[in-house]
Amino acid sequence: SQELEQSPQSLIVQEGKNLTINCTSSKTLYGLYWYKQKYGEGLIFLMMLQKGGEEKSHEKITAKLDEKKQQSSLHITASQPSHAGIYLCGADQGANNLFFGTGTRLTVIP
Amino acid sequence: DTGVSQDPRHKITKRGQNVTFRCDPISEHNRLYWYRQTLGQGPEFLTYFQNEAQLEKSRLLSDRFSAERPKGSFSTLEIQRTEQGDSAMYLCASSGINEQFFGPGTRLTVL
Repeated sequence: SQELEQSPQSLIVQEGKNLTINCTSSKTLYGLYWYKQKYGEGLIFLMMLQKGGEEKSHEKITAKLDEKKQQSSLHITASQPSHAGIYLCGADQGANNLFFGTGTRLTVIP
Repeated sequence: DTGVSQDPRHKITKRGQNVTFRCDPISEHNRLYWYRQTLGQGPEFLTYFQNEAQLEKSRLLSDRFSAERPKGSFSTLEIQRTEQGDSAMYLCASSGINEQFFGPGTRLTVL
């Protein structure tokens, strides 16, 4: 069965700092989704990566899928308090049925 | 609002009671998913529909759980004879090409 490990599990940064969250899979990733979740709420879709070496950006968030398609990273530039939340990566098991990691909790200190 | 909606947002029930949740997907999406999320964990896949057909069910979906999507639009998830272990956030999602959007979830508390 697939395993998805996210690191770090939690992260506290000062506002304005850059940060990176990693998602490592035990199997080849055929589709990797990144989401943000606020406590007690649903998941907000950030982006989806499919091709090895692919990189996508949305506002100050950039995600990459490595060439071997077993690791993805999410990078936030000049973090803001609005970036705080739990970041989840989800691997496509087929037909967009997603298997999720346990998440990275990000706190941004003003 | 054209996103995924779920109703109710919160449900408190006593052990042994039946509960039903509703999900309205994004109208142009023909795939609909149900997930369950417990505290500190990522969502776990339960089942999915392509139009009205239920194509896959997780082993997590015991025989007390049933999901329907009768006309290929909204979906319902019913839990019969609820147990305390069923307490969780139940999330619905719908997908188009290379995107999957989640609803706000229904938080179930079983007393």
